[in-house]
Amino acid sequence: ETGVTQSPTHLIKTRGQQVTLRCSSQSGHNTVSWYQQALGQGPQFIFQYYREEENGRGNFPPRFSGLQFPNYSSELNVNALELDDSALYLCASTGTSGSYDTQYFGPGTRLTVL
Amino acid sequence: QKEVEQDPGPLSVPEGAIVSLNCTYSNSAFQYFMWYRQYSRKGPELLMYTYSSGNKEDGRFTAQVDKSSKYISLFIRDSQPSDSATYLCGLSNFGNEKLTFGTGTRLTIIP
Repeated sequence: ETGVTQSPTHLIKTRGQQVTLRCSSQSGHNTVSWYQQALGQGPQFIFQYYREEENGRGNFPPRFSGLQFPNYSSELNVNALELDDSALYLCASTGTSGSYDTQYFGPGTRLTVL
Repeated sequence: QKEVEQDPGPLSVPEGAIVSLNCTYSNSAFQYFMWYRQYSRKGPELLMYTYSSGNKEDGRFTAQVDKSSKYISLFIRDSQPSDSATYLCGLSNFGNEKLTFGTGTRLTIIP
């Protein structure tokens, strides 16, 4: 167990709706990243937050937005859902492994858009 | 061309065999090389972590990085049925920055 938790586990939405996914980082980790993993693919980087500020963004449209709170928990919001948004959404918090920082993943939220 | 290429498999080997999993990459700025294991419907679990070139061993697992060839490998010795999972390589410029993943290789160890 990494100590990173995500909610909900599963979610079903329809096209055009909006969704909010939540993540609690491992204690002491002040950096959180979000990834989208489509079926049969590797995770794709959406964005990263460091101390409540966006700190890098991947190739995702503005309808993907996020927040990080003072306790370092985080939200991913997706507006105007499309069928292609169906995927496993992963949250990762950054901690130190040996001498270097690395990312520890939560179990993910599986989103289905109908 | 994708930044990171990984054969998706599936790969099936008998129990006890040595497994070799590989990724190639095109971005020479990558300095950090990770291997994650992902069981079905779970999040990726960090297995091995290597900085720059060289080898790293942890129990039955060995990670190798050849930056001159832009080629990384994960070897699993004495493979077990519990090793059956999807293995993802993840690369980054800095350890706390975004990871660029391969597609993952689905591995099955046959008892």
